Amino acid sequence: SYELTQPPSVSVSPGQPASITCSGDKLGDKYACWYQQKPGQSPVLVIYQDYKRPSGIPERFSGSNSGNTATLTISGTQAMDEADYYCQAWDSGVVFGGGTKLTVL
Amino acid sequence: QVQLVQSGAEVKKPGSSVKVSCKASGGTFSSNAISWVRQAPGQGLEWMGGIIPIFGTASYAQKFQGRVTMTAGESTSTAYMELSSLRSDDTAIYYCARDPQGGTTVTSYYFDSWGQGTLVTVSS
Repeated sequence: SYELTQPPSVSVSPGQPASITCSGDKLGDKYACWYQQKPGQSPVLVIYQDYKRPSGIPERFSGSNSGNTATLTISGTQAMDEADYYCQAWDSGVVFGGGTKLTVL
Repeated sequence: QVQLVQSGAEVKKPGSSVKVSCKASGGTFSSNAISWVRQAPGQGLEWMGGIIPIFGTASYAQKFQGRVTMTAGESTSTAYMELSSLRSDDTAIYYCARDPQGGTTVTSYYFDSWGQGTLVTVSS
């Protein structure tokens, strides 16, 4: 079965850029999306179809997908961005990455 | 944007079944796939399957085949997920989520709306 691999944790200082990767076999040939989930809340879509931002999502969130890796980048990370982030793709079913805890120190 | 409101928390005995509902309002329902995703305590997201209400066709993740049934009522804009033969490791928050893209099969590249989640606790 298809697998998506994310680093368990990423730390960043306020105001600095943060990057979270998601790796899977030929992931660049598929659409990737990203969700943000804060404690006790439902996931929120922040990037879809590799790089598109839903309305209401700040411009500091961006995405890319090429080769075997999709990347979520947060420029100028803010304390409010501290959350778990999940990537997702479709491969004969919905596949989620294991999630990355973003800590803003 | 579609709002998804789920039924309340459940406590079930091992071996029993649970049925969770997800009512949509404020947007299209019938032609968009509704998926069910669960999250065990402290764990990640796990897709269980999805259904397109207008067709009534459901697609289930292999792990849950034979144990899950997804249905939907067009007239009530409500989707349901029933999980049987419950075990302690089925204890989780169960979410419904909407795929904004129409289609004839459950092929969900992303979900733009999520329900608030329903905690199902399986305990003797």
